[in-house]
Amino acid sequence: DAGITQSPRHKVTETGTPVTLRCHQTENHRYMYWYRQDPGHGLRLIHYSYGVKDTDKGEVSDGYSVSRSKTEDFLLTLESATSSQTSVYFCAIRLRDASNTEAFFGQGTRLTVV
Amino acid sequence: DAKTTQPTSMDCAEGRAANLPCNHSTISGNEYVYWYRQIHSQGPQYIIHGLKNNETNEMASLIITEDRKSSTLILPHATLRDTAVYYCIVRVADNQGGKLIFGQGTELSVKP
Repeated sequence: DAGITQSPRHKVTETGTPVTLRCHQTENHRYMYWYRQDPGHGLRLIHYSYGVKDTDKGEVSDGYSVSRSKTEDFLLTLESATSSQTSVYFCAIRLRDASNTEAFFGQGTRLTVV
Repeated sequence: DAKTTQPTSMDCAEGRAANLPCNHSTISGNEYVYWYRQIHSQGPQYIIHGLKNNETNEMASLIITEDRKSSTLILPHATLRDTAVYYCIVRVADNQGGKLIFGQGTELSVKP
């Protein structure tokens, strides 16, 4: 699993509440990514990070913010959760100092907004 | 990053080779072809990647055409556990990590 831990693994929350998902890695990788996956869709990139405090938007970033204050943690925040954000969220990492390497994915967080 | 086109679904008999095609006609010279698979709602798993030459590892082989506009992932002896969605992705190798953009993928069903 390349030392990736997502937490929580499952969460049910109410519309309008803030939610933070955590991706933690133990191997000092530089690049980290957040994706969401919905039925009938492939994975869609939300945000990614290429270093501490260095982040950029992906395909579907509206309604999401991220933070990376230390190498090992990449946080995804839904400021005010909506039902359309019900999804499975995957975190991924890519090796540091390597521009051409594969990504490793976490096991996912299933978020339900009611 | 260049877009890819894959068939929506494919079947393969157990023990036979599974050949999964991918079209990436707008690929640039510095873009790599990556293949991942996702088994029933687990996190995607890396399979193989290449730039120009054919590649082989313990999981699969990757055949890239000479003009690089298409590629084929080959699972030489498919098993039931290879049933999954297979994603073909092209991306630039850059210093900011690049955006790994997934398409719809091919749903491969390996049948007994």
